[in-house]
Amino acid sequence: DIVMTQSPDSLAVSLGGRATINCKSSQSILYSSNNKNYLIWYQQKPGQPPKLLIYWASTRESGVPDRFSGSGSGTDFTLTISSLQAEDVAIYYCQQYYNSPPTFGQGTKLEIK
Amino acid sequence: QVQLQQWGAGLLKPSETLSLTCAVFGGSFSDYYWSWVRQPPGQGLEWIGEINHSGSTDYNPSLKSRVTISLDTSKNQFSLKLSSVTAADTAVYFCARGRRDAYNFVYAFDIWGQGTMVTVSS
Repeated sequence: DIVMTQSPDSLAVSLGGRATINCKSSQSILYSSNNKNYLIWYQQKPGQPPKLLIYWASTRESGVPDRFSGSGSGTDFTLTISSLQAEDVAIYYCQQYYNSPPTFGQGTKLEIK
Repeated sequence: QVQLQQWGAGLLKPSETLSLTCAVFGGSFSDYYWSWVRQPPGQGLEWIGEINHSGSTDYNPSLKSRVTISLDTSKNQFSLKLSSVTAADTAVYFCARGRRDAYNFVYAFDIWGQGTMVTVSS
């Protein structure tokens, strides 16, 4: 299985500040035929299912605010929230679906400083 | 607006079979892959398996011997059965829609059910 490792495990950022969450895969999840990275980011709030934020490492899902952005390729990826809002407090997960079984990172808990 | 609505028994005894169903409302059943994902209390997410509209399945090897996912296209529903449950299977279980691309990769789980808490206890 591909192992997904996120860092940090938790993060506290001031309102309006920048939050950066990293995700590393144990092998490349870049498919050379279409140059797509099969890396997905989700946001999960307490008592709710995960919400899709970004797929193909950097494509924002419709309706997701543009303060959320994804970057990276191969094995190293980053989710950035450019100007933290109170409603962004949540746990963020990365996931790969390059190989089966799809696997998730352990999650990063984002709080307000 | 596509919605997934799931239901099933929330309290099981060890060795019983977990059974959950997810209904798809408001969208196509045939263009997607349909997954089950679970989350133990306070922990991360684990993919259980998926099924496509033609009934082809893929399971997590860690659970494969105990999992069956099936579908009823006439009702736009798919179901999960997990046999011989133990306390380690206590979790919130989610159904989710997998969006696939032209290369047949599932590239996102874009719609999720509300989750069902399943507790295994004697």
